[in-house]
Amino acid sequence: EAEVAQSPRYKITEKSQAVAFWCDPISGHATLYWYRQILGQGPELLVQFQDESVVDDSQLPKDRFSAERLKGVDSTLKIQPAELGDSAMYLCASRPATPDTQYFGPGTRLTVL
Amino acid sequence: AQSVTQLGSHVSVSEGALVLLRCNYSSSVPPYLFWYVQYPNQGLQLLLKYTTGATLVKGINGFEAEFKKSETSFHLTKPSAHMSDAAEYFCAVSENNNDMRFGAGTRLTVKP
Repeated sequence: EAEVAQSPRYKITEKSQAVAFWCDPISGHATLYWYRQILGQGPELLVQFQDESVVDDSQLPKDRFSAERLKGVDSTLKIQPAELGDSAMYLCASRPATPDTQYFGPGTRLTVL
Repeated sequence: AQSVTQLGSHVSVSEGALVLLRCNYSSSVPPYLFWYVQYPNQGLQLLLKYTTGATLVKGINGFEAEFKKSETSFHLTKPSAHMSDAAEYFCAVSENNNDMRFGAGTRLTVKP
């Protein structure tokens, strides 16, 4: 069964450093999401892509966060500089073109020291 | 905008007992409703979903949920808890099957 891939699974960094996360969605899924999940809370949407275009980035802290999906396939989420409050699980999800379920990757656990 | 409230951040049951996890939603249009399960340091796995049609939805691992429009609820149940059911459970709502909002989650503990 096809799965959403994410790397790295765990990342420890110091504040003010730059970090990047990678996501490879299920083949053929046009829609890709990045979520942030703070410990003890539900996931919150950061950015949504439809193919290579950003559909919704209203909750993305654009002063430090950026996301791209250049060829409409895999995607990268970057934080620069990282702050202590960025410690969280970063989840990627993808969805096929016809309305259906979002499929989640295993996530990247970020710890900022 | 749509929203979800999960009643009870922690639920503890004995093995073999009924599992009931509560979810109430708010939506301005007929909603799509989902339950996901998350094990430690893993992503979310879909348990079941309601879009249209039959209001009682059956999912994986013996879970089911009933959409009750009059009560704006979508509670998750399982007749007999198993130790492997211990996890975090998230209810989610979508107004257009696109923008999904999650509840804060309910941690289920199963006692032997």
